[in-house]
Amino acid sequence: AQKVTQAQTEISVVEKEDVTLDCVYETRDTTYYLFWYKQPPSGELVFLIRRNSFDEQNEISGRYSWNFQKSTSSFNFTITASQVVDSAVYFCALPSGGYNKLIFGAGTRLAVHP
Amino acid sequence: DGGITQSPKYLFRKEGQNVTLSCEQNLNHDAMYWYRQDPGQGLRLIYYSQIVNDFQKGDIAEGYSVSREKKESFPLTVTSAQKNPTAFYLCASGTGSSGNTIYFGEGSWLTVV
Repeated sequence: AQKVTQAQTEISVVEKEDVTLDCVYETRDTTYYLFWYKQPPSGELVFLIRRNSFDEQNEISGRYSWNFQKSTSSFNFTITASQVVDSAVYFCALPSGGYNKLIFGAGTRLAVHP
Repeated sequence: DGGITQSPKYLFRKEGQNVTLSCEQNLNHDAMYWYRQDPGQGLRLIYYSQIVNDFQKGDIAEGYSVSREKKESFPLTVTSAQKNPTAFYLCASGTGSSGNTIYFGEGSWLTVV
């Protein structure tokens, strides 16, 4: 069955600390995609990244980086030098079934304190 | 602006009333989705639609209904049969093709009073 697990419910850090958000997934598909979304206090889900299972290279975008490891079924997200604006709930997601329906992990709430 | 528009942002409903949440997109996406989010929890799929006049139940469809009369619009009705409707509702759209990104609206807060 398709499943996404985000074991960290809440993380609290002080500004400028690095923080890693974990995502572990289960899938029966041989080819698949993984996603990360950010949900700020306003509520809208903001797309951050999409990763194809063929591509295991790490991705870096500014202060954000993603580590995809197929061997451990993990797709972890690191924020370097965190800022208060990074405070949000972060969701990892995986398509399940037809029509690209996404299933989501429970989310990790990140609080960055000044 | 291009995107997904949900309305209203906040809605209060009396028990026993049906309410309809609006979702409009101008991204020319074929697929549209409705998710429900309860406080401190992830998102659960209510309904989805791949094309006009066709839609499918998601994981928690009981007590909800939808229609897809136009490509741009996918309204969600929360009926009185939904036992615990207070939640945050998110509409999304995408091409529907495997692995393509799904984009979300700003959400609607529904509170039953």
